[in-house]
Amino acid sequence: AQSVAQPEDQVNVAEGNPLTVKCTYSVSGNPYLFWYVQYPNRGLQFLLKYITGDNLVKGSYGFEAEFNKSQTSFHLKKPSALVSDSALYFCAVLSYGNNRLAFGKGNQVVVIP
Amino acid sequence: EAGVAQSPRYKIIEKRQSVAFWCNPISGHATLYWYQQILGQGPKLLIQFQNNGVVDDSQLPKDRFSAERLKGVDSTLKIQPAKLEDSAVYLCASSFGRVDEKLFFGSGTQLSVL
Repeated sequence: AQSVAQPEDQVNVAEGNPLTVKCTYSVSGNPYLFWYVQYPNRGLQFLLKYITGDNLVKGSYGFEAEFNKSQTSFHLKKPSALVSDSALYFCAVLSYGNNRLAFGKGNQVVVIP
Repeated sequence: EAGVAQSPRYKIIEKRQSVAFWCNPISGHATLYWYQQILGQGPKLLIQFQNNGVVDDSQLPKDRFSAERLKGVDSTLKIQPAKLEDSAVYLCASSFGRVDEKLFFGSGTQLSVL
């Protein structure tokens, strides 16, 4: 079965600094990888996905993610963090074997003004 | 465009009581999902519908949980009887139907079982 690891519980970053949220995955076959964000009292919102092609994927709100097959990673990045980026971020992997999206436990991002 | 609608927003019940959650997906979305999100964990798929048929319910505790999507549009998730460990946020999501598509989530129902 597929799985996702998000090793850090919380990521603190100063406003204007680069933001990185780490994700590693385990899946049989080619992975389909996603990032979602959850703001307080809101449902999850799609940020970006990797299906195939360019390893660098650009998404909403200035976020991007880099797929690294050898390291089985899909880290989320933003060059300059905003206070409004403070939220819970989830990495997810889809396996075509069972068509089920498996989410990581999430990372709380706190952007300090 | 209207998003995924869920109700109620909050629900507090005592253990062994029953509870039901309602979801109305985005118009035209064939696939509907119910996820359980326990505090500190990522969402876990409970059941997935394609139109009004069940695609995946392998992680649904069928002795107490049930779900239906009778007309292929809105859906109801029921728990009977509830246990303390059912305290969680129940999220509904929908998509057009391709498995590699993004999901659209509702705001969820926060259930507290006392």
